[in-house]
Amino acid sequence: ETGVTQSPTHLIKTRGQQVTLRCSSQSGHNTVSWYQQALGQGPQFIFQYYREEENGRGNFPPRFSGLQFPNYSSELNVNALELDDSALYLCASSPTAVDTQYFGPGTRLTVL
Amino acid sequence: GQNIDQPTEMTATEGAIVQINCTYQTSGFNGLFWYQQHAGEAPTFLSYNVLDGLEEKGRFSSFLSRSKGYSYLLLKELQMKDSASYLCAVRAADSGAGSYQLTFGKGTKLSVIP
Repeated sequence: ETGVTQSPTHLIKTRGQQVTLRCSSQSGHNTVSWYQQALGQGPQFIFQYYREEENGRGNFPPRFSGLQFPNYSSELNVNALELDDSALYLCASSPTAVDTQYFGPGTRLTVL
Repeated sequence: GQNIDQPTEMTATEGAIVQINCTYQTSGFNGLFWYQQHAGEAPTFLSYNVLDGLEEKGRFSSFLSRSKGYSYLLLKELQMKDSASYLCAVRAADSGAGSYQLTFGKGTKLSVIP
């Protein structure tokens, strides 16, 4: 157990809808990173938040957006869902932006 | 950009030793991580190397050669529970954002057989 929690566990949406995924970081961690993991692939970096500011972004379109709150929990929002957005979404927290990242259990998103 | 290569699948026998290789090409290298991921679960941290050499942690060891862009994860005394995917990840400076980014390989699926 890493102390990182995510909700919901599973989610089913249809194309064009919007979704919000949530992550609570481990106590004492001020950095949260989000990843998308398609079946049979490694996690792909979406973005990172450090002390409520976006601190780096991967190659994902603007319809992927996020927030980090004063308690360092975080949200990932995806607008205009596409079939290819079906994946496991992982968040990882770390004590600072340059420390080892510890992953939550993930949210399995299915887009129909 | 970054490129990380590792074998797709490996099979090894219970009690044996297995070495999983990872090669990478990157700029702004700032460390290499190994994670274990059981099917349907989140990755769990195994090891971290930032300097050349071997890091040993129980049955698991990880080696890094920065000049060769090469790392390996060594698993000794294999157990059935070691059947999982092993992810190599490189941390590098994102010069544009002034931050560091973790890039993962596709993972090596290890099957341990009796």
